[in-house]
Amino acid sequence: AQRVTQPEKLLSVFKGAPVELKCNYSYSGSPELFWYVQYSRQRLQLLLRHISRESIKGFTADLNKGETSFHLKKPFAQEEDSAMYYCALSRRSNDYKLSFGAGTTVTVRA
Amino acid sequence: NAGVTQTPKFRVLKTGQSMTLLCAQDMNHEYMYWYRQDPGMGLRLIHYSVGEGTTAKGEVPDGYNVSRLKKQNFLLGLESAAPSQTSVYFCASTGQGVPTYEQYFGPGTRLTVT
Repeated sequence: AQRVTQPEKLLSVFKGAPVELKCNYSYSGSPELFWYVQYSRQRLQLLLRHISRESIKGFTADLNKGETSFHLKKPFAQEEDSAMYYCALSRRSNDYKLSFGAGTTVTVRA
Repeated sequence: NAGVTQTPKFRVLKTGQSMTLLCAQDMNHEYMYWYRQDPGMGLRLIHYSVGEGTTAKGEVPDGYNVSRLKKQNFLLGLESAAPSQTSVYFCASTGQGVPTYEQYFGPGTRLTVT
């Protein structure tokens, strides 16, 4: 079974401070890992995919297979980063179904 | 491209009533999914489809039925609504040509069952 854990329900940081959202997963194979973001009352949007090793809106996420983690980081948070963030996992062998973590609500204060 | 669209955006039902949510995508995606979003629980998969004419159960299928008669449409039905089905429902799709098969989401349907 595959499972995704986001231990923080709420995260509050000041503008300009670093922010890190934790994500741990349980799956023994090679999953695809994603971070999705949902701004207030909007649809989920893909933020990052692990395979791309890219930086989007200043966010990066590194897959650590040894620790089975895929933490999301941004060195300097902005007010527009306030949103709900979901870590998610899928597998080709499982019809690409997404298993989501419970989500972390990030509030960036001025 | 409109992407993934959902109809309706909002709905209030009384217990025992029925309704159908429509999801449409114009990206020629093979895979389509229905999720429900509840506070503190993330998104949970209700049903999904790997192609026209196919459907399969997800994590929380009870009380819901689905149909995929056309490749671009995926319908979610509630035969007899219950207050526990009050939620926000999201449809998503993906397919060949999408890097790593990440999913594209619709805007959601906010359903309240009284």
